[in-house]
Amino acid sequence: SQQGEEDPQALSIQEGENATMNCSYKTSINNLQWYRQNSGRGLVHLILIRSNEREKHSGRLRVTLDTSKKSSSLLITASRAADTASYFCATAVNALNFGKGTSLLVTP
Amino acid sequence: DGGITQSPKYLFRKEGQNVTLSCEQNLNHDAMYWYRQDPGQGLRLIYYSQIVNDFQKGDIAEGYSVSREKKESFPLTVTSAQKNPTAFYLCASSIGTLNNQPQHFGDGTRLSIL
Repeated sequence: SQQGEEDPQALSIQEGENATMNCSYKTSINNLQWYRQNSGRGLVHLILIRSNEREKHSGRLRVTLDTSKKSSSLLITASRAADTASYFCATAVNALNFGKGTSLLVTP
Repeated sequence: DGGITQSPKYLFRKEGQNVTLSCEQNLNHDAMYWYRQDPGQGLRLIYYSQIVNDFQKGDIAEGYSVSREKKESFPLTVTSAQKNPTAFYLCASSIGTLNNQPQHFGDGTRLSIL
């Protein structure tokens, strides 16, 4: 059962701009994870944020979690063409439930 | 380098045929997973295993079978009972329990029907 839903479905920006993707979910979670998938490849884990955390950073990535609104956001600052990929949120209850992803295109 | 290896990268199945997808990891992870990904969709869990000789059904286990005889290996068989097997199959592993650790993924096997 897919619990996380990413928004927007697709996002196109230019290099140097920031990209923000959102994830909404329906039930209480233990943690929320963001993954990246390049075309035709497996997923790569980016960040795990626990339910008692509000914000987490990793390099150019910033993730926020608002459990009262059941939502999370992933911000990629100063985007590069190499950031072009699909980004998935996964909510952790008993198992990981993945959303359908946001497809990000970063043009030079 | 530690990682997860899936093979083959591309696989074709004839009608009525069973096919087996290989997944091997050298990360010393206890838990392993199989997911199915259809175009424009998220991942759906087929089977998972938390320890050797034990595995559990996920959301879409019908038409699939698995085994976990070794810690490093978690092969997935797509049986003839799976009527719509065309998809991208991803194997993953994690250190411990289902949701408290990041999952590490292989590069997938793309299965098509001949």
